[in-house]
Amino acid sequence: GAVVSQHPSWVICKSGTSVKIECRSLDFQATTMFWYRQFPKQSLMLMATSNEGSKATYEQGVEKDKFLINHASLTLSTLTVTSAHPEDSSFYICSARDPGTGVYEQYFGPGTRLTVT
Amino acid sequence: QQQVKQSPQSLIVQKGGIPIINCAYENTAFDYFPWYQQFPGKGPALLIAIRPDVSEKKEGRFTISFNKSAKQFSLHIMDSQPGDSATYFCAASIKTGGFKTIFGAGTRLFVKA
Repeated sequence: GAVVSQHPSWVICKSGTSVKIECRSLDFQATTMFWYRQFPKQSLMLMATSNEGSKATYEQGVEKDKFLINHASLTLSTLTVTSAHPEDSSFYICSARDPGTGVYEQYFGPGTRLTVT
Repeated sequence: QQQVKQSPQSLIVQKGGIPIINCAYENTAFDYFPWYQQFPGKGPALLIAIRPDVSEKKEGRFTISFNKSAKQFSLHIMDSQPGDSATYFCAASIKTGGFKTIFGAGTRLFVKA
């Protein structure tokens, strides 16, 4: 099946610094990637939809200036958390769609645990 | 209208039992209903999915029952095993106006040995 990787798997940063998380589709080209946020024992909340070569579409309530998304190629999307604060600590998960396998299927990465101290 | 309601929040069954997780949706524009399994510290993995023109789908020990008129669907896990202990999420996807998947709140399943 299609494989999506994320890097790093976990990161600890100090308050006020920026952190970049990478999401890669390893064996397929992903025209669309999605970024989710998951707090402990809660569901996945869609933050934004990233389309290759165009600006990301953010969900209501998500600060686009704080969560910068770049989808520069068909296999890579990045999420940068700028000026991170402790309340940004969460599990960030990306997913990608493979148009070759079906219209709806999306494949999830293993997630990145961000802790802001 | 974009919500997907999932119940129960948690579930404990004996090995070999058949846990059932239920979900309901409002928006009839949803046209793909996947179930995901997530282990702690991992990303969700697709288990099984169904389209609304089908009332039931079975893959291995996992079965989805779908009731289009009631806008409800459920996951049944046959012969449950301790290794099935995980959090299960139902979801609903829509492609009109841009592809989007909405997740239910999740059900934490524990299968006793």
